[in-house]
Amino acid sequence: DSGVTQTPKHLITATGQRVTLRCSPRSGDLSVYWYQQSLDQGLQFLIQYYNGEERAKGNILERFSAQQFPDLHSELNLSSLELGDSALYFCASSGPGTRGYNEQFFGPGTRLTVL
Amino acid sequence: AQSVTQLDSQVPVFEEAPVELRCNYSSSVSVYLFWYVQYPNQGLQLLLKYLSGSTLVKGINGFEAEFNKSQTSFHLRKPSVHISDTAEYFCAVSDRGSTLGRLYFGRGTQLTVWP
Repeated sequence: DSGVTQTPKHLITATGQRVTLRCSPRSGDLSVYWYQQSLDQGLQFLIQYYNGEERAKGNILERFSAQQFPDLHSELNLSSLELGDSALYFCASSGPGTRGYNEQFFGPGTRLTVL
Repeated sequence: AQSVTQLDSQVPVFEEAPVELRCNYSSSVSVYLFWYVQYPNQGLQLLLKYLSGSTLVKGINGFEAEFNKSQTSFHLRKPSVHISDTAEYFCAVSDRGSTLGRLYFGRGTQLTVWP
């Protein structure tokens, strides 16, 4: 158990819908990262938050957005869903600081299926 | 930009045999190097990382990796594998000079250990 929790574990929805994925980082970690794992693209970095502020953006679509709340949990919002958005979405946390040598601890992921 | 190439998408091996999973990277800056393992239906777990110092790094579960700067490689090895090592293995890098800490992943190598 990494200490990072993600809900829900599975999500099945239809094209055009909007969903919210939730992540709670390990106690004390200030950084939250979101990654997308798909057969086509592999594991890709989406976005990073540190202590409530957005720090870095990767290959995140404009239809996707995220935020980190004062209690440090984070939510990834996916809207106008398309079939190609079906993937496993991971949240990871690390801390303290944001340096590249910090180990990132991954949650179990949310599997999103868009029908 | 950084890129990571894992040369083998699948590696089948018999139990108690040695294994090497290959990883090469390309980067215009110095990087930290990581190997993560993903067991079925689980999140990623850190096996080992290279930050500095000795180029031979030992990790959990009997795995080790060697950093070769001239060949820009970070191959993962285990002298004798077990059935329980069956999993997907990801090589990753992060930018040594960055304060962001995002990871760039390879496409993964599926290691299957047969009895």
